[in-house]
Amino acid sequence: NAGVTQTPKFQVLKTGQSMTLQCAQDMNHNSMYWYRQDPGMGLRLIYYSASEGTTDKGEVPNGYNVSRLNKREFSLRLESAAPSQTSVYFCASSFPQGIGNQPQHFGDGTRLSIL
Amino acid sequence: AQSVAQPEDQVNVAEGNPLTVKCTYSVSGNPYLFWYVQYPNRGLQFLLKYITGDNLVKGSYGFEAEFNKSQTSFHLKKPSALVSDSALYFCAVRDGNFNKFYFGSGTKLNVKP
Repeated sequence: NAGVTQTPKFQVLKTGQSMTLQCAQDMNHNSMYWYRQDPGMGLRLIYYSASEGTTDKGEVPNGYNVSRLNKREFSLRLESAAPSQTSVYFCASSFPQGIGNQPQHFGDGTRLSIL
Repeated sequence: AQSVAQPEDQVNVAEGNPLTVKCTYSVSGNPYLFWYVQYPNRGLQFLLKYITGDNLVKGSYGFEAEFNKSQTSFHLKKPSALVSDSALYFCAVRDGNFNKFYFGSGTKLNVKP
């Protein structure tokens, strides 16, 4: 009963390094999301993918890119990491709105520190 | 644009007492409202959602939420708090047109024995 799986769970990078955060869901959801969580700021949407083959910017997309590899997988890439990107990153998935008022399901996060 | 507000950063209650975590919303169209809970080092877990026509919605772990259209509120409640309820709680609203969710800033609930 995996749900939403994120890898890695922890990562430390140096400024300027690149990395990709991986996310996979096994609930046959159409929509997938990437958020960052910073103290006192709740969750802020970075990018989302309403369905396979589409991606859209969220509230804070600068410095990030995404790839919707297939229906199950949605990756987030930091091309040149900056200390301001130190955060906890969450992936989530959901059915589209047309299938009732369905909630999102979240992974357990990737804790990313950039030195 | 859709938005939610959680006016309290922290709520403190004694075990056994009732608890309320407040949420107000601003939406155009039907309100698709949710409550989530987050325990340390974990992702958000779905607690309950608003169901059209129900002013009191029941969810997981004994939680319920009271919907008030005139006050545009969706407050989370529990009749008797447990120490294990201590966690971070988020209110969220869904924008049905764009498949996006908007979250409040979160309220930390502390339940003391």
